Amino acid sequence: EVQLVESGGGLVQPGGSLRISCAASGFPVSSNHMNWVRQAPGKGLEWVSVFYSGGNTYYADSVKGRFTISRDNSKNTLYLQMNSLRAEDSAVYYCARMMQWVIDYWGQGTLVTVSS
Amino acid sequence: EIVLTQSPDFQSVTPKERVTITCRASQSVDSTLHWYQQKPDQSPKLLIKYASQSISGVPSRFSGSGSGTDFTLTIDSLEAEDAATYYCHQSRTLPWTFGQGTKVEIK
Repeated sequence: EVQLVESGGGLVQPGGSLRISCAASGFPVSSNHMNWVRQAPGKGLEWVSVFYSGGNTYYADSVKGRFTISRDNSKNTLYLQMNSLRAEDSAVYYCARMMQWVIDYWGQGTLVTVSS
Repeated sequence: EIVLTQSPDFQSVTPKERVTITCRASQSVDSTLHWYQQKPDQSPKLLIKYASQSISGVPSRFSGSGSGTDFTLTIDSLEAEDAATYYCHQSRTLPWTFGQGTKVEIK
C-alpha cells in the first residue's frame, strides 16, 4: 500500500528556516517523480517543487532560490528545505507522488506557519 | 505559465442533480489535464486522469471530457458525499498549475 507521511511542520519566524520530510512506503521514491504542493489556509493548491526520478529538480518562481528539494533513497524519504521564510509561505505542505505525469497519491500534509 | 480557469467558483446543487464544472487552459495542454476532489480537512483525491480516463475505485457518476484548452468534469446524479472542492490540474508544462477550485455544496 502506498503511503506518504509528512512531518516537520511548525511555527517559524519570518526569515527563518525549516525542513519538512515525507516518508514514503509501498514504493521507492527514486523510481517516481516526487512533488511538494502547498495550500494556504482557505486557498487553492499551488505546486512548489518536483524531484524527477532521474534527479533533475524544478521549482515554482515563488520559492526559487529559497527552497531546496532533496531525497534520501536509503530512507525512502523526500525533503523540502525552506529558507528565508515569508508570511506568504504559510500553508499546508503536501508531498505527492507522480506516476506517468499524474499525481496519484498525496500525503496528509504538514502545516507550516510563518509568523512573529 | 499555463493558467487554468474553472467555472463556476461555487455551485449549490440538489441531490440527484447533474453537476458540470469547466476548466479552461490559457494554452493547449493536449489531454494532460486531471481532476481532483478535496473534502474539508482532507488531502486531494484523484478523480479523472488525462481528461477522460477513469480511476479505479472512483464512482462511475464522475466523468471527464475535453482536450486542448477546454475541459469538463461531470457528476451525474449528485450524492451528499460529493460535497467538496474540485480542482483541475495540468502536468503538460512546468510549472504544473491548478485551477482555482470549484466548491460544490449540497442544498
